[in-house]
Amino acid sequence: GAGVSQSPSNKVTEKGKDVELRCDPISGHTALYWYRQSLGQGLEFLIYFQGNSAPDKSGLPSDRFSAERTGGSVSTLTIQRTQQEDSAVYLCASSLAPRGETQYFGPGTRLLVL
Amino acid sequence: QKEVEQDPGPLSVPEGAIVSLNCTYSNSAFQYFMWYRQYSRKGPELLMYTYSSGNKEDGRFTAQVDKSSKYISLFIRDSQPSDSATYLCAMSGPSSGAGSYQLTFGKGTKLSVIP
Repeated sequence: GAGVSQSPSNKVTEKGKDVELRCDPISGHTALYWYRQSLGQGLEFLIYFQGNSAPDKSGLPSDRFSAERTGGSVSTLTIQRTQQEDSAVYLCASSLAPRGETQYFGPGTRLLVL
Repeated sequence: QKEVEQDPGPLSVPEGAIVSLNCTYSNSAFQYFMWYRQYSRKGPELLMYTYSSGNKEDGRFTAQVDKSSKYISLFIRDSQPSDSATYLCAMSGPSSGAGSYQLTFGKGTKLSVIP
């Protein structure tokens, strides 16, 4: 079946602009996670959705970052007023159950802030 | 001290060799232990997962977890050039009060298998 998809695959933006990153999870997966992968920090958790609710936002680095999920499916991660340090690969993962062992990742969105 | 430590390598081995990849961790509460493989410019691909201590085998891959030592390993037998990738260990659990099983990753070991 179809895996997790993300769009765009690459995004180049100017400092100060807003960007939206999209994630389409595997159909039927109720749990959705966003992570960020950067050269210095590795892969880091950002936010967790169960259905349309986001009960764990503890990894969001600042209030410029927000995310939503609609219809228990598609999720959008928004970064406002982008900074150069936001440059990274943003990865989305989904899971049939909330348990940690079965998270399947999408290909990621490579964000470059100039 | 980072929660999960993983030697970044790079690790270069000849085709057919046995590869050993390892991670150590500090959080004794971790319950689930995973290994992901990531090819260049791709997302991580789940290879294996283990709950609590023990061994698990899948084809050429064997995962081991020693909770008493806070040490996990992935062994690759008869390594192939197609195994060349970055290998990430990841851990999770118990869930947060919010029900999240967020993964905590090592920084990955870059493996090259030379024909």
